[in-house]
Amino acid sequence: SQELEQSPQSLIVQEGKNLTINCTSSKTLYGLYWYKQKYGEGLIFLMMLQKGGEEKSHEKITAKLDEKKQQSSLHITASQPSHAGIYLCGADLEYGNKLVFGAGTILRVKS
Amino acid sequence: GAGVSQSPSNKVTEKGKDVELRCDPISGHTALYWYRQRLGQGLEFLIYFQGNSAPDKSGLPSDRFSAERTGESVSTLTIQRTQQEDSAVYLCASSLAARNYGYTFGSGTRLTVV
Repeated sequence: SQELEQSPQSLIVQEGKNLTINCTSSKTLYGLYWYKQKYGEGLIFLMMLQKGGEEKSHEKITAKLDEKKQQSSLHITASQPSHAGIYLCGADLEYGNKLVFGAGTILRVKS
Repeated sequence: GAGVSQSPSNKVTEKGKDVELRCDPISGHTALYWYRQRLGQGLEFLIYFQGNSAPDKSGLPSDRFSAERTGESVSTLTIQRTQQEDSAVYLCASSLAARNYGYTFGSGTRLTVV
């Protein structure tokens, strides 16, 4: 969806390095979701952010929501090969309807 | 069930044939969504159900695509006269309500039209 822009499109990092993926909306965000997908599999829910300034962490993954900038970032600390996959952001852009998704960020972690 | 179940997991069909894809949402989830993901691309919204009604069908790409939901449970996505460009992974998601309650995705049906 052009309503949600993800960057970068792909990323290769050395194991142990930190990385950040960004998701920017052209419209007001009512909720922002991060999912991870491995090739040929469904989406694994990571985090949901609803309030401006909200920050959530799970293991080595942290996501933040900047409501004013209509932007969210996903940060992985000390990346591991298990973090490799496609990261997708999805957003509620209008009331009571559907999630629209960004095009995804392909992450590869080199050992 | 514990999660969203989709069947079949893989489907190969000949161009021009009709296919039916099934989604079993989490019990009690009133909202159900279908998405399509082409190779190397993000998720493309197809249709949304609230109960058995579909208030948003805006993503269905052509009149060859249709979907229904019965008993506020199972949904079927039907593609008639399949074309090669229909090849994709079709993902289903369900949610407790329409918004902000979290969306759980199934593993998808990989459709290949040959």
